Amino acid sequence: DAGITQSPRHKVTETGTPVTLRCHQTENHRYMYWYRQDPGHGLRLIHYSYGVKDTDKGEVSDGYSVSRSKTEDFLLTLESATSSQTSVYFCAISPLEGSPYNEQFFGPGTRLTVL
Amino acid sequence: ELKVEQNPLFLSMQEGKNYTIYCNYSTTSDRLYWYRQDPGKSLESLFVLLSNGAVKQEGRLMASLDTKARLSTLHITAAVHDLSATYFCAVDGASGTYKYIFGTGTRLKVLA
Repeated sequence: DAGITQSPRHKVTETGTPVTLRCHQTENHRYMYWYRQDPGHGLRLIHYSYGVKDTDKGEVSDGYSVSRSKTEDFLLTLESATSSQTSVYFCAISPLEGSPYNEQFFGPGTRLTVL
Repeated sequence: ELKVEQNPLFLSMQEGKNYTIYCNYSTTSDRLYWYRQDPGKSLESLFVLLSNGAVKQEGRLMASLDTKARLSTLHITAAVHDLSATYFCAVDGASGTYKYIFGTGTRLKVLA
């Protein structure tokens, strides 16, 4: 299994509070991704990173920010959590550019509930 | 805008039967991926399909890709209960971006 961990695994918070989710990898992969999974929507990309300090938006980036100061860590921040951000969040990693497969490997997920 | 559609969304089938899950996508893409997700778990990679006509098989599952029709299929042969899960297909969003667009998933339930 790819070495990906996410923390926390479960979190309950209140509307308006800041929340940071952490993704940590031991594979030295260049690409890292944050997705959210909601019933009826599959997985949707929030933000991704293609290197240290290099990030870009996905299809549902509003209300989220990310940072990557080290290859192994990719942080997702909800500056002011809302109930619509209640979801399961998955981190994924992908090998170096040039791989013919560009396969993404997923972390265990974080279940976030915003009350 | 790239869209990925799967059908059916839900599938209940008897053990021993065969069935196919379809994945249609709206624009040209070089690569297509199939994942499996068990309830409350993460996504597990099943297949990576890289070219037109690609076919891959693992146990009772076989995936194929027709890039001209923008269609991939996941065929289940002689289903068993352990195959009960949700199956997702995903497509590279655009060449060079390494971003996936996922289908909404097919929830498969195999009845004993």
